[in-house]
Amino acid sequence: IAGITQAPTSQILAAGRRMTLRCTQDMRHNAMYWYRQDLGLGLRLIHYSNTAGTTGKGEVPDGYSVSRANTDDFPLTLASAVPSQTSVYFCASSLSGDGNQPQHFGDGTRLSIL
Amino acid sequence: GQNIDQPTEMTATEGAIVQINCTYQTSGFNGLFWYQQHAGEAPTFLSYNVLDGLEEKGRFSSFLSRSKGYSYLLLKELQMKDSASYLCAVRDSNYQLIWGAGTKLIIKP
Repeated sequence: IAGITQAPTSQILAAGRRMTLRCTQDMRHNAMYWYRQDLGLGLRLIHYSNTAGTTGKGEVPDGYSVSRANTDDFPLTLASAVPSQTSVYFCASSLSGDGNQPQHFGDGTRLSIL
Repeated sequence: GQNIDQPTEMTATEGAIVQINCTYQTSGFNGLFWYQQHAGEAPTFLSYNVLDGLEEKGRFSSFLSRSKGYSYLLLKELQMKDSASYLCAVRDSNYQLIWGAGTKLIIKP
């Protein structure tokens, strides 16, 4: 079934540890996104990529990095996790970065930093 | 700054009609999206508006007024499975989505 796969589903992590959240899509979408979702707040964009080989910063990029080596994969790395990064992380993709195409979301990664 | 406002929570009765409002102030406008999100799940796309007027899709309709910075999602013949959060998002001048915090819709029998 075509779609977006995120891993892990959930994780508990000690503060200061490094963590990479994985995201893979098989829809051949050009644009990919990482969001965090916190209670009472809207989805906030962390980083995005409009095409393989390019990335951009979103609203809340500090403490996170991404890479886009190919069309399918868009990993998100927390270099040194802090408790304020406890959140639900969603990866999304769309056919292109502009136009009217909707974004499609993975099932999310629930991350707790202790 | 950029801002999307939606009611935090609404309650409606099974079989009835409910209207969820969204007002926005963004730097530019390149379309408005509505998504549905069940608890613990991913958001799923419902509708898209870029021109003023009403877009109908089955039991769901979405309306846009660009001059007023206003949209609503209309849900008819409510079913228990419609209990979810409804997210309004506006694509700004940079083609990034700005998201509202969502409206939690509770359906009662």
